[in-house]
Amino acid sequence: EIVLTQSPATLSLSPGDRATLSCRATQSVSTYLAWYQQKPGQPPRLLIYDASNRATGIPARFSGSGSGTDFTLTISSLEPEDFAVYYCQQRRNWLMYTFGQGTKLEIK
Amino acid sequence: EVHLVQSGAEVKKPGESLRIACKGSGYNFTSYWISWVRHMPGKGLEWMGRFDPSDSYTIYSPSFQGHVTISADKSISTAYLQWSSLKASDTALYYCARIQESSYGFDYWGQGTLVTVSS
Repeated sequence: EIVLTQSPATLSLSPGDRATLSCRATQSVSTYLAWYQQKPGQPPRLLIYDASNRATGIPARFSGSGSGTDFTLTISSLEPEDFAVYYCQQRRNWLMYTFGQGTKLEIK
Repeated sequence: EVHLVQSGAEVKKPGESLRIACKGSGYNFTSYWISWVRHMPGKGLEWMGRFDPSDSYTIYSPSFQGHVTISADKSISTAYLQWSSLKASDTALYYCARIQESSYGFDYWGQGTLVTVSS
């Protein structure tokens, strides 16, 4: 089973800062990696699919990069509504998925 | 507009059975896979399995294989997640999600069903 490890566990930043979140896989997942945002009391929201493609309606300040085992989600300039938990998800074996354990982005 | 509406919260005792539901609307239910995701208190998301409503093909995460059953009634556009014998460790919030056919991302989610198992 492919395991995804996200870092850091918690990231403390201020509005306007640049956020860089990491996701590392135990084996190559090619570019079959997605990112989700989850706010308290809400279901997750798809942000990025296939490593670098923004989902419908996602602002341009969100971008994804990487391939193989190392991936990054970047938020270029944090808005107040961006403080949430972020999860990566892989589908290398396309029949099955796994999630990372999450990175909490909190206000400093 | 696409919606996934889940059944309400449940409180059960260990050993009891349970089936929770996820009703899709606003799209062709049989054209998109459905997945179930567990969110335990204070923990991350866990993928449980996926179901193809067009042919009932199902695949489970190894962590959930044999513990839950995923099914659907396509005549009423509803997917199900069921347990035959609940444990206290099944206490969690459960989400259904639609798998987008081109990206394979989970593009629409239900609101979640809270399952509490306690004696």
